[in-house]
Amino acid sequence: KAGVTQTPRYLIKTRGQQVTLSCSPISGHRSVSWYQQTPGQGLQFLFEYFSETQRNKGNFPGRFSGRQFSNSRSEMNVSTLELGDSALYLCASSEGTANYGYTFGSGTRLTVV
Amino acid sequence: KNEVEQSPQNLTAQEGEFITINCSYSVGISALHWLQQHPGGGIVSLFMLSSGKKKHGRLIATINIQEKHSSLHITASHPRDSAVYICAVGTNTGNQFYFGTGTSLTVIP
Repeated sequence: KAGVTQTPRYLIKTRGQQVTLSCSPISGHRSVSWYQQTPGQGLQFLFEYFSETQRNKGNFPGRFSGRQFSNSRSEMNVSTLELGDSALYLCASSEGTANYGYTFGSGTRLTVV
Repeated sequence: KNEVEQSPQNLTAQEGEFITINCSYSVGISALHWLQQHPGGGIVSLFMLSSGKKKHGRLIATINIQEKHSSLHITASHPRDSAVYICAVGTNTGNQFYFGTGTSLTVIP
């Protein structure tokens, strides 16, 4: 059974640009959640999608957005990149709620220069 | 104020030692997760708990809902256990997730 796949693995962008990250969940999983990990702030919850709807959102500015497609694949977009957006972005999939186990992807490491 | 507090922040142990990492939380939860992150970033979910105790190999996780506290134990520690261990809670009020800052474990041969 394939795991959670995140693409790309590494990305370098310039300040002011926008970026789109992709996450393909485990087959049958309908929930995809996104997290940002930085050395200073640790892991922080960005948002969660379930059946194409954003079900919950963390405390991030509107520059961070996402969507989920009918096949449960999810994309995360960050517009007008700032140096502080440099981080490891992780996604995790699960069958439904926090009562179900989560499987994490390997992450996308974004560097903003 | 952090919703999830972990201790210790850093831990160095000799191979074979029994290790305990603690997690306290202040929110109502639907489940608590223990995660393991190796250098390079990949995260593995070790346990998901909503009550009691779970065991997987040399790893044991316990949770006390009344005291809002969980522990992760590693028996007969091994250098390959060296990693950052992160406690995370899913809230019972809308699928929000909060993370501890992690415990960096180094097991010396």
